[in-house]
Amino acid sequence: QLVLTQSPSASASLGASVKLTCTLSSGHIYYAIAWHQQQAGKGPRYLMKLNSDGSHSKGDGIPDRFSGSSSGAERYLTISSLQSEDEADYYCQTWGTGVQWVFGGGTKLTVL
Amino acid sequence: EVQLVETGGGLIQPGGFLRLSCAASGFTVSSNYMSWVRQAPGKGLEWVAAIYSDGNAVHADSVKGRFTISRDNLKNTMHLQMSNLRVEDTAVYYCARTPGGGTTTIDHWGQGTLVTVSS
Repeated sequence: QLVLTQSPSASASLGASVKLTCTLSSGHIYYAIAWHQQQAGKGPRYLMKLNSDGSHSKGDGIPDRFSGSSSGAERYLTISSLQSEDEADYYCQTWGTGVQWVFGGGTKLTVL
Repeated sequence: EVQLVETGGGLIQPGGFLRLSCAASGFTVSSNYMSWVRQAPGKGLEWVAAIYSDGNAVHADSVKGRFTISRDNLKNTMHLQMSNLRVEDTAVYYCARTPGGGTTTIDHWGQGTLVTVSS
């Protein structure tokens, strides 16, 4: 069964970098995913599509501080030079036959 | 510019009906995969329904038989007909676009519309 697993929370200091992880279930390690950001009280915002080889394409207006990488079943979102507005929930998402659109449980990022 | 605007949310009693709409601009709804995704208060994102470019419609098990997704190609709009609503359907409902053509990830979201099911 296609499942995306995310840690519930993460934290990092203002100006530092943070790496968030989304893990694909066994048998689905070559799937592409998308990362979405949701700031408090707002709708989700598409950040990027991330392929299994680490190549990624970002949405319009997404700063260079946001980047993606992959290793096996892991898909990463790295945010560098953290700013206060980066404090948000981050969701990964993919698609599979039968299950259709699948979301990870989300990671709540706190900027200290 | 791609834009998605949801309307139709509101307060409805359990067992009631509601129809949500998603008006699209900047692209053609019928050439993309369109989805409804909901978020209950304090919870994560949950996929609800989708309609593919070939017109095939699919629904999550939690809403199958109660919700129906459709689209109006002339108005470039997508709809979600919700019936027999339950308290647990309370959520913000977002429409979302997946470009299709080999791409399976959402690349645009609407701002959401709140549905509250309560007596």
